[in-house]
Amino acid sequence: GAVVSQHPSWVICKSGTSVKIECRSLDFQATTMFWYRQFPKQSLMLMATSNEGSKATYEQGVEKDKFLINHASLTLSTLTVTSAHPEDSSFYICSANLAGRETQYFGPGTRLLVL
Amino acid sequence: AQTVTQSQPEMSVQEAETVTLSCTYDTSESDYYLFWYKQPPSRQMILVIRQEAYKQQNATENRFSVNFQKAAKSFSLKISDSQLGDAAMYFCAYRPLMEYGNKLVFGAGTILRVKS
Repeated sequence: GAVVSQHPSWVICKSGTSVKIECRSLDFQATTMFWYRQFPKQSLMLMATSNEGSKATYEQGVEKDKFLINHASLTLSTLTVTSAHPEDSSFYICSANLAGRETQYFGPGTRLLVL
Repeated sequence: AQTVTQSQPEMSVQEAETVTLSCTYDTSESDYYLFWYKQPPSRQMILVIRQEAYKQQNATENRFSVNFQKAAKSFSLKISDSQLGDAAMYFCAYRPLMEYGNKLVFGAGTILRVKS
């Protein structure tokens, strides 16, 4: 149980385009989902917390107009990187919390390369 | 603000031997959760073990156990009978009990290499 999927696993795009990454909880309802960014051999950096039916809460320094988050249902959150630039190239990971439970379950991540 | 410190950027262990990864944290809360996550080369984050701060007994999961010292704010991970598949980056994480949104605070990570 507690499986989280992400799609796509790999994406290459041209500078200036937008990219959407989906995060789904497959076998549970996630009241809260989280989006992280990770650079090689570094820790996870929390970008935002997403609650179903409400606006995401962004961490300090994360541009909300750049990284659009939508949590439309209890099993789906999306991250859209708008007008992507090479410096947005990174590994993006989502995680989800089962309501009332303490453990976060992580998706497999999405590698984004912006040319 | 809570912080998590992993002071060992890299560790090595011989196959079948035991290794301990250290983690310290800083908090003024009395109730919280602590976690160890493993991130192998696939980069999928995998929960290794979880500890509730109100429990004095150290958590154990098969070959993985923790040494939780609440007063010292220390939470080390011991891996016994190390296997090649244990090679990964290990992250220690803290979560307050009542924090809205259940945010995790991660340490910088420790790369564990397993030698055959």
